[in-house]
Amino acid sequence: DSGVTQTPKHLITATGQRVTLRCSPRSGDLSVYWYQQSLDQGLQFLIQYYNGEERAKGNILERFSAQQFPDLHSELNLSSLELGDSALYFCASSGEARSEQFFGPGTRLTVL
Amino acid sequence: AQSVTQLDSHVSVSEGTPVLLRCNYSSSYSPSLFWYVQHPNKGLQLLLKYTSAATLVKGINGFEAEFKKSETSFHLTKPSAHMSDAAEYFCAVSVPYSSASKIIFGSGTRLSIRP
Repeated sequence: DSGVTQTPKHLITATGQRVTLRCSPRSGDLSVYWYQQSLDQGLQFLIQYYNGEERAKGNILERFSAQQFPDLHSELNLSSLELGDSALYFCASSGEARSEQFFGPGTRLTVL
Repeated sequence: AQSVTQLDSHVSVSEGTPVLLRCNYSSSYSPSLFWYVQHPNKGLQLLLKYTSAATLVKGINGFEAEFKKSETSFHLTKPSAHMSDAAEYFCAVSVPYSSASKIIFGSGTRLSIRP
């Protein structure tokens, strides 16, 4: 158990819909990262937050957004969903610079 | 720029034989390097990390990796494979900046174990 929690575990929705994925980092970790993992794209970094502020952006679509709240939990919002958005979405957290990231169990999103 | 290249997309070994998963890195800094393992439908679990201390790093489940600066490599090894080692393995390099780190992952190596 990494100490990072993600909800829900599974999410099934339809095209055009909007969903919110939630992540709670390990106690004391200020950084939260979001990743998308799909069969054709592999593990893709989406976005990082540090203590409530956006710190880095990766291959995140404009239809996707995220935020980190004062209690350090984070939410990833996916809107206007397409079939190709079906994937595993992971959250990770880390402490100070150059430290490893600890991954949550992921949310499996299926868009029908 | 920092990057990692995993040289094999798929490795298959027999149970009880050695495992070698290859990773080359590119980094402008003194790198922090990691190996993660992902079992089917699970999150990534840290196997081991190198952070400029000993060049031979021991991890969990009998895995170890050796940092070779001259070869820019960080290969993962295990003397004797077990069926439970079948999984996807990711090599990664940490990019330090500001007060946080960003990790760049390789494309992964799928390890299969033959009975």
